[in-house]
Amino acid sequence: GESVGLHLPTLSVQEGDNSIINCAYSNSASDYFIWYKQESGKGPQFIIDIRSNMDKRQGQRVTVLLNKTVKHLSLQIAATQPGDSAVYFCAGMGQGGKLIFGQGTELSVKP
Amino acid sequence: SAVISQKPSRDICQRGTSLTIQCQVDSQVTMMFWYRQQPGQSLTLIATANQGSEATYESGFVIDKFPISRPNLTFSTLTVSNMSPEDSSIYLCSVERTRLANEQFFGPGTRLTVL
Repeated sequence: GESVGLHLPTLSVQEGDNSIINCAYSNSASDYFIWYKQESGKGPQFIIDIRSNMDKRQGQRVTVLLNKTVKHLSLQIAATQPGDSAVYFCAGMGQGGKLIFGQGTELSVKP
Repeated sequence: SAVISQKPSRDICQRGTSLTIQCQVDSQVTMMFWYRQQPGQSLTLIATANQGSEATYESGFVIDKFPISRPNLTFSTLTVSNMSPEDSSIYLCSVERTRLANEQFFGPGTRLTVL
């Protein structure tokens, strides 16, 4: 079947440190993945995406790494700020072009 | 990214009633999606709504419970029918921009509480 799951439900980091949020996907998930950030009371916000023909993609303060061998995806946030506090979801494009979401990791940034 | 608005932003409804949620996009899009996010949980796709055709529902969701309209390329509605407390969730619409293939952008969501 198709599934996308996260390793940890919560993550607490000190302001200024780097954050790493992990995600695993199953064999039948697609070759396209998106990371979303969801703040309280808001809809998910697109952060960054990656296709399976890439191992790494960088944005502003964020990097997504894809390890196809172990079917693992990670989101790295550099110099984490209080405004980064949110729930982060990974999503994989499943059969028929549908997004399958992981359960989410709540990131808390300590000042 | 697309600018997506939803109405209402939140509502409290009585059991057995129905609520229609509106989703408006600032540009024409081919694919629109409706998701449900139950409290403290992830997003689950309800259905895909394409203009000019009937919505395609995911397993566990049926048209009688969640009728969808898609009258044009910038607008869609989702109705939650005959509501029960189990329908209390955030309902989100999203759009896929074909120009930027596969990227999906979300509206702010409608927070529904059923008493």
